[in-house]
Amino acid sequence: DAKTTQPNSMESNEEEPVHLPCNHSTISGTDYIHWYRQLPSQGPEYVIHGLTSNVNNRMASLAIAEDRKSSTLILHRATLRDAAVYYCILRVFKAAGNKLTFGGGTRVLVKP
Amino acid sequence: DAGVIQSPRHEVTEMGQEVTLRCKPISGHDYLFWYRQTMMRGLELLIYFNNNVPIDDSGMPEDRFSAKMPNASFSTLKIQPSEPRDSAVYFCASSFSPGTGTNTEAFFGQGTRLTVV
Repeated sequence: DAKTTQPNSMESNEEEPVHLPCNHSTISGTDYIHWYRQLPSQGPEYVIHGLTSNVNNRMASLAIAEDRKSSTLILHRATLRDAAVYYCILRVFKAAGNKLTFGGGTRVLVKP
Repeated sequence: DAGVIQSPRHEVTEMGQEVTLRCKPISGHDYLFWYRQTMMRGLELLIYFNNNVPIDDSGMPEDRFSAKMPNASFSTLKIQPSEPRDSAVYFCASSFSPGTGTNTEAFFGQGTRLTVV
């Protein structure tokens, strides 16, 4: 399975944007880039996903490099409730399975 | 839909006892995942099912662990006999895959916190 690399932690000030990088240099053509986050004492929750083009939703934006070897999750205005561990995951859809494997993630601290 | 439902939320058991964790996926979802989370090892994928059939159980730590999915609305993860090192939070998740080349989000339950003393 293709691996992802993320910084262990990042800090941000409230109301400021947060850019979370993810490297996935061994990504294959069928791998989707997924982001999940895990708030304290909760199960992971979906944030966003994409294949090739940049994606936006109400929670965040996903910027994907042209060669797809890296991506960046953008939280436009961090709030205290955004403090969580953010996971970048490669998920391949194929007839033999649709695995979802988590790495170490980036712990985001938001300062008031 | 009430989301993915796991039971119990907390379980405390003595070493050597059998433990059964339960999961009800979201109706209509065809994938079900079991995870274990500890501080040391993070979120580990134990096993996942597609249409009630186990696809990959390579993450199951040893023979003491077993998982079943007798129908589309219910799955169990059993540990027999349990050991203190099995103490962790166990998550169940489900997702729907509408077709080849399409990818959708997975929904997680609130988890079961297992303590083996």
